[in-house]
Amino acid sequence: QSVLTQPPSASGTPGQRVTISCSGSSSNIGRNTVNWYQQLPGTAPKLLIHSNNQGPSGVPGRFSGSRSGTSASLAISGVQSEDEADYYCGTWDDSLNAYVFGTGTKVTVL
Amino acid sequence: QITLKESGPTLVKPTQTLTLTCTFSGFSLSTSAVGVGWIRQPPGKALEWLALIRWDDAKRYSPSLKSRLTITKDTSKNQVVLTMTNMDPVDTATYYCAHSGHLQTSNWYFDLWGRGTLVTVSS
Repeated sequence: QSVLTQPPSASGTPGQRVTISCSGSSSNIGRNTVNWYQQLPGTAPKLLIHSNNQGPSGVPGRFSGSRSGTSASLAISGVQSEDEADYYCGTWDDSLNAYVFGTGTKVTVL
Repeated sequence: QITLKESGPTLVKPTQTLTLTCTFSGFSLSTSAVGVGWIRQPPGKALEWLALIRWDDAKRYSPSLKSRLTITKDTSKNQVVLTMTNMDPVDTATYYCAHSGHLQTSNWYFDLWGRGTLVTVSS
């Protein structure tokens, strides 16, 4: 089972703000930066946010990330229908010596 | 432009060994701070990291699967190979390879992924 815990689902109407949490521990989020991956239905994951809050080129500005202590969050400001996807947090765990992913959150746009 | 593509069998029998190849272009695995990893995803389930090989040939494995995994690279062919022994139906999953260009520290990530290959384990 994953060491990073996410809510199974999140939802919002178009234009609303949707946030997803990722809870970890001192050996992972507490020590290393957090990354977020978006997986659209039937496709491979794609890097969405790296280093807690950096968006790669081409990622819409409505996606933002933050980290505080042993938790991190992904926010979608003004969610759109094309944002319906599964979202995963990920980071290195110094105790496990492993890269760990979160349990995943399915975002639904109502 | 960086691309990665996974290849290998779509069906393996229980107890057999799985061999997957990741063929990539657009980067060299001899460049400092570069690495290639493998991640899998059982149908309808979450992502699970399996292994990583770095430019300096250092290897990292998932602790829970370490005894069954081997990752190697062929820099001249631009390929990374993952073998997993003693396959079981619970290993049925889509297997992805992915690139990382930021392995100088522990604050790294997978910035580009292949499309994945579905491997089914069944007799």
